[in-house]
Parts: sequence; structure tokens; C-alpha cells
Amino acid sequence: GQNIDQPTEMTATEGAIVQINCTYQTSGFNGLFWYQQHAGEAPTFLSYNVLDGLEEKGRFSSFLSRSKGYSYLLLKELQMKDSASYLCAVMDSNYQLIWGAGTKLIIKP
Amino acid sequence: TAGITQAPTSQILAAGRSMTLRCTQDMRHNAMYWYRQDLGLGLRLIHYSNTAGTTGKGEVPDGYSVSRANTDDFPLTLASAVPSQTSVYFCASSETSGDTDTQYFGPGTRLTVL
Repeated sequence: GQNIDQPTEMTATEGAIVQINCTYQTSGFNGLFWYQQHAGEAPTFLSYNVLDGLEEKGRFSSFLSRSKGYSYLLLKELQMKDSASYLCAVMDSNYQLIWGAGTKLIIKP
Repeated sequence: TAGITQAPTSQILAAGRSMTLRCTQDMRHNAMYWYRQDLGLGLRLIHYSNTAGTTGKGEVPDGYSVSRANTDDFPLTLASAVPSQTSVYFCASSETSGDTDTQYFGPGTRLTVL
């Protein structure tokens, strides 16, 4: 079966750095996406990785290792507004997104 | 910029009743999707459409039907609602159904079936 694993919840301090991990087992791989979802709102796109390595976009970076079935999202200089759920999703061989359950990130002052 | 709109925002529905959730996008995207989101689970694909006039089944299609008469609209119908269909429903669209195409989400419809 297809499976995306990510921690259920994480806590971090304002101004710090946090890394959210995602491991996956899917039938085929056509890219990995990270989305942010604030409570009661729609998911919004953060990043896309299809090749191994690190993609940096401002305070957010995303890393992919296809051989290990592993990705992480790195958030730097955390702000209170970063409190949200972070969803990892893999596009499988049928070009359908398989979603993890999301990691709820709590930022404390 | 509207993007994707969904209606209604929320609804309470009696079991056995039918209902259509509406989704409209103004980005001229070819592909559209319906997901449900339940606590502790990832988003699950119900149905999708790669282009106007075509639809396909996702991971959890039972009890739901869709149509895609034109590019902009992609309604989701529950013919006879059951309590297990209580969920938050998100409509999404992407330019195509290809690997690099980002999916953009509507604000969601919160449905409670009693």
C-alpha cells in the first residue's frame, strides 16, 4: 500500500528553527509537495521537490532524498503566524497526490 | 482574484437527503479535484477531472458523483447522505494533471450528516 508518515505534532519557540520530517512509500514517484494549512482554512502550496537536494525559498527550505523515501521541511526564524499544519504529499505513478495526515506545528513565544 | 470558490461554506444535512457541493474556478485550469479531509487522516481524493467532459474515480468515490460540463465548474453530488460522509470537503484545481502542476484549493465546505 501507499503510505506517507509525518509526526502528528511538534512544538517550537518563536525565532528558532524547526525541521518537519516526511517519509513515504508510494507506487511510483513524480514529485513531493509541502503545503501549509492554518486551522479552518484551505491548504496553500509551499514547495515542490522532484530531484534530490535542497530547495530554498526565503525562510522555508525543503529537502528530498528519493533513495531514502525521505523529505523534510525546514522553517527558520519562526514567527507566531507559522503556527499551522504542514502537509506532505507525494505524486504517485498515476499522477495522483497521496497525502500525509499533516504535522501540527505549535509556536510558543 | 477569486481563484476557487465553494458553496455552501457549511451545511447540516439529514441522512438520506441528497446534496450538491458547488465548486467554481476562474483560472481556466484544466484539472479539478474533490477531496475530503477527516481528523487524523490525510486528504483523500474522491473524484477528479483532467479536462472538461472527463471524470475519474479517486481513492474514496463510493456515495459521490461528479460532472464536468465546462472548464470552470465541478459539482460534487451526494445522492443519499450517510453520517460517515460528515467531513470537510475541498475542491482544488491545477493547470494540468501533470507532475509539476501545483494544486490550488478552495476554502472548503464543512458538511455534517445527522
